[in-house]
Amino acid sequence: DTGVSQDPRHKITKRGQNVTFRCDPISEHNRLYWYRQTLGQGPEFLTYFQNEAQLEKSRLLSDRFSAERPKGSFSTLEIQRTEQGDSAMYLCASSLVFIRAAEAFFGQGTRLTVV
Amino acid sequence: SQELEQSPQSLIVQEGKNLTINCTSSKTLYGLYWYKQKYGEGLIFLMMLQKGGEEKSHEKITAKLDEKKQQSSLHITASQPSHAGIYLCGAVINAGGTSYGKLTFGQGTILTVHP
Repeated sequence: DTGVSQDPRHKITKRGQNVTFRCDPISEHNRLYWYRQTLGQGPEFLTYFQNEAQLEKSRLLSDRFSAERPKGSFSTLEIQRTEQGDSAMYLCASSLVFIRAAEAFFGQGTRLTVV
Repeated sequence: SQELEQSPQSLIVQEGKNLTINCTSSKTLYGLYWYKQKYGEGLIFLMMLQKGGEEKSHEKITAKLDEKKQQSSLHITASQPSHAGIYLCGAVINAGGTSYGKLTFGQGTILTVHP
């Protein structure tokens, strides 16, 4: 097991373009989370999946953002019509959760720069 | 205002010194996580605490959760330059099975260790 993997590590895009990020969780983990982190701040929750079901979305996730987790394995986060305010580190985490809290492991993140 | 307050915001210590970072909430914490982050990288899981009064140690790092489950401290003994980085506390603030793993983070503590 190689941990949570995110791709790409860095993305520079022009304002108005669409971007897609991928997250591969730890293989047996049923929960997958997306967070966004801006400079000097802690990560902020965006959304999470249990298996393939998206169970919660933050108000931070505008209608330009969409996330999927087909087949309950990897997940993608797409941002349409990017804006400069979308520039941030996008972090993915996974955990194995049934009825108790469990350790949540993060990937290396995707740093998005919108120019 | 932040739901999770970390203090201090930054800390500069001489190698070999002990230090403590605090994480405080006005609400009950149902799972308290400590992570370390190098600038521009993902979060490295350190420890998770669940029970009031719980204490865990890993190498020279010890974390405690108070009996009321509203405050946690991270203590580093005999700090080394390798301990430098950003320390983040994250917590499950809302109870309920679907909330586990959805973390609210503090703003982080930047630790510098001078050799």
